[in-house]
Amino acid sequence: NAGVMQNPRHLVRRRGQEARLRCSPMKGHSHVYWYRQLPEEGLKFMVYLQKENIIDESGMPKERFSAEFPKEGPSILRIQQVVRGDSAAYFCASSPGLGVDADTQYFGPGTRLTVL
Amino acid sequence: DAKTTQPNSMESNEEEPVHLPCNHSTISGTDYIHWYRQLPSQGPEYVIHGLTSNVNNRMASLAIAEDRKSSTLILHRATLRDAAVYYCIRGSSNTGKLIFGQGTTLQVKP
Repeated sequence: NAGVMQNPRHLVRRRGQEARLRCSPMKGHSHVYWYRQLPEEGLKFMVYLQKENIIDESGMPKERFSAEFPKEGPSILRIQQVVRGDSAAYFCASSPGLGVDADTQYFGPGTRLTVL
Repeated sequence: DAKTTQPNSMESNEEEPVHLPCNHSTISGTDYIHWYRQLPSQGPEYVIHGLTSNVNNRMASLAIAEDRKSSTLILHRATLRDAAVYYCIRGSSNTGKLIFGQGTTLQVKP
């Protein structure tokens, strides 16, 4: 059973460009979470999604950031008009949503975004 | 607010047991205690979780105090690959999100 997959692993963008980060959850998992880790800082929750629904976006910046988890395909975290302060590691996690380990989150390897 | 308190750092010798403490004095009756760890340049890795009873798995053991105000993650025989930041997180199934604190940076000496 493959784990959570994220791509690209490394992404370089210039200021003002768009960044798209993709996350494929573990097989059978219907819940996806995005976290951000700024350099030398801790992990911060951004958004929690289930298929086609945003459950909690309390950690998302109000502008330029959006997330989706469509019925088919991976979850996408989209950052428009990137700025240098967006440079960070972005981690995706998934959980089954059902059963004994319903809320146990399994993390992907992350996408390291560098904004020049 | 992570609402858990952990020492910033700890050291251990290879092949010795390690006890990583965590205080969560304001934990509610339905909050689980989760432990994750993050190795350098990697994503967080699930270690173990529990509610009231002590728990064991292939990675570690979790000892939960009777009043649930504290817990201890036990690595029975530390290896160099166990060097990581260990996060103790209290989580409610109602919220989904994990709130990470600063964690404990574990150094393992050969």
